[in-house]
Amino acid sequence: NAGVTQTPKFQVLKTGQSMTLQCAQDMNHEYMSWYRQDPGMGLRLIHYSVGAGITDQGEVPNGYNVSRSTTEDFPLRLLSAAPSQTSVYFCASSSGDITNQPQHFGDGTRLSIL
Amino acid sequence: TQLLEQSPQFLSIQEGENLTVYCNSSSVFSSLQWYRQEPGEGPVLLVTVVTGGEVKKLKRLTFQFGDARKDSSLHITAAQPGDTGLYLCAVYNNDMRFGAGTRLTVKP
Repeated sequence: NAGVTQTPKFQVLKTGQSMTLQCAQDMNHEYMSWYRQDPGMGLRLIHYSVGAGITDQGEVPNGYNVSRSTTEDFPLRLLSAAPSQTSVYFCASSSGDITNQPQHFGDGTRLSIL
Repeated sequence: TQLLEQSPQFLSIQEGENLTVYCNSSSVFSSLQWYRQEPGEGPVLLVTVVTGGEVKKLKRLTFQFGDARKDSSLHITAAQPGDTGLYLCAVYNNDMRFGAGTRLTVKP
């Protein structure tokens, strides 16, 4: 099983460039989310979706957009990259109630903004 | 101030030693999850605790949820190099929140 697949694995951008981080899951999970992980700060929720057509903001949404047109895909868009967005980004999915169901994480996208 | 405070931040021990790491908060939660993350990978769920005072065991790992459901601990008995990783606690508080983690290194 592929689980949660993130692409690309690594990316270097210049300040002001835009890009889309891809996330796909093959488990038919309704709940999907994006996190960023920075040293000493753990994982912080950027945006999440409880199903196709529904998205909501997490703890640190500024500078990022998301959409959920299908159950399988949940892309994260950086509109105008800034050095503060240098981080490791993780996508996760869950089958239902995330308070007691596991989130399945991808292996991350390591993003550097110069 | 983070919602979840994990301690210690770093821990380096020899194989065979026992250890305990902590996840503390001033808030009450309906449940708490522990994840382990290895380098270059995403976190993997170890356990979910839901009842105050609950103790769950996963082989050499023992998880406890505080009576007041504000804190949790993870105890590892006879640590092995394979236990090396970042241990994260997480709760649902309007959305998912993670602690900063305890980075454990077990030396052979």
